[in-house]
This record gives sequence, C-alpha cells and structure tokens, in this order.
Amino acid sequence: QQQVKQSPQSLIVQKGGISIINCAYENTAFDYFPWYQQFPGKGPALLIAIRPDVSEKKEGRFTISFNKSAKQFSLHIMDSQPGDSATYFCAATQSGGYQKVTFGTGTKLQVIP
Amino acid sequence: NAGVTQTPKFRVLKTGQSMTLLCAQDMNHEYMYWYRQDPGMGLRLIHYSVGEGTTAKGEVPDGYNVSRLKKQNFLLGLESAAPSQTSVYFCASSHRGYDGNEKLFFGSGTQLSVL
Repeated sequence: QQQVKQSPQSLIVQKGGISIINCAYENTAFDYFPWYQQFPGKGPALLIAIRPDVSEKKEGRFTISFNKSAKQFSLHIMDSQPGDSATYFCAATQSGGYQKVTFGTGTKLQVIP
Repeated sequence: NAGVTQTPKFRVLKTGQSMTLLCAQDMNHEYMYWYRQDPGMGLRLIHYSVGEGTTAKGEVPDGYNVSRLKKQNFLLGLESAAPSQTSVYFCASSHRGYDGNEKLFFGSGTQLSVL
C-alpha cells in the first residue's frame, strides 16, 4: 500500500527553468513532510521540510508548497541548475516516539544546459 | 566527520550464499535503519532499531536479519541470498531536530548483485 504518491517519475528541465515535483498522501496523521535529494552513488540527504501548519516554506531556490485540504505538497526548484540534477524523494512522517518515514518513489531530475 | 559509514560498497553473491552488511555511525544517534532502493519503488524499510539491543521489522523484512549489539553499529544479514535481493542497500541513522522531528542521515550505500 503506497501511502505517498510522487510524480513525475522523471523530469527534464532547461537551465534557468522551474522544476516542479508533486506528491500526494493518504494518511491524515502525517504531520511532517521532508524532501530528500540524492546524487548518483550517494545516499539521500535532507533538503527541506515542512509541517502542515504552513502553506509554503522557502530555502534559497527550493520551495515547498503545501495544500492540507487536498493532501498534496510539491517541491519547486527555481532557476534550476545542472548541479540540481539528482533524484528527489518526498516523504511523510507522523509525530511519536518513533517516526516511520514513508517515502515516495522518487523523481529523477535532469537539468540540461 | 564520517557520519554514517557502510561496508562493503559493492558485492556480488551467488544464490544461496550469505553475507553481512555493516553500518557504523559516529553521531550517537539512537535510531538506525536499513533500507533497500529499487528502480521505481523508492526506499523501502527492511528493519530498524530504536536503541542498542533492540530491532524491529519494517516493510520488507523477509530474508533479512539484523543485530544492534552496540549503539554505533547496525548489521544486516542475508542468510541465503536470492536474486530478488539484488538491490542498493542504505543504512541510516536519525536524531530529533529542533522542530521535534526525526532527520535521517544516510550512508553512501552498498550495491549488491545476487546471481
């Protein structure tokens, strides 16, 4: 049972363009939504995260938009650069003593010059 | 500043062979995890540990065993490898950030092929 659905599976964007990756979740108990970035041959690393009490969070060129009523959230990469080429995973967790992290299936982003 | 270290980085096994993947973290994290990553399926949790001496099953535990005898180490064992276990394996550890949520720190992965 996939609780976090991510799209698209792959994405090609020109340098300077906007990259948009979308995720949808089912479990309304989720209350923390991180995004992880993974470069080839490396493990994923936390990029940015949001809680459902805000609709947007921005860190540099990376922005998360969150729609609680639609149970959807998305990652926007402004002014995309070739160095942003990586696989991006959205995820969701819920508060508690131990938090199980549910990952989306990943989006492979390629930014071409 | 090692973080999470996995060994080995690559391994080829024949069906039925056994092996152990080692994960070590130097951040004094309580929680540790083993994930497998397969194309189109994202990261799936195999087993996890919430502290020294404890282990628990994740989403896809069959065919794997784990041990956490020391806080800094988390071992993943394959008793009788099968081709379906061909995958990239990631170890992770976590701590609770200032916002109260766990943040995962991943190793660089082990690419395992079972022939």
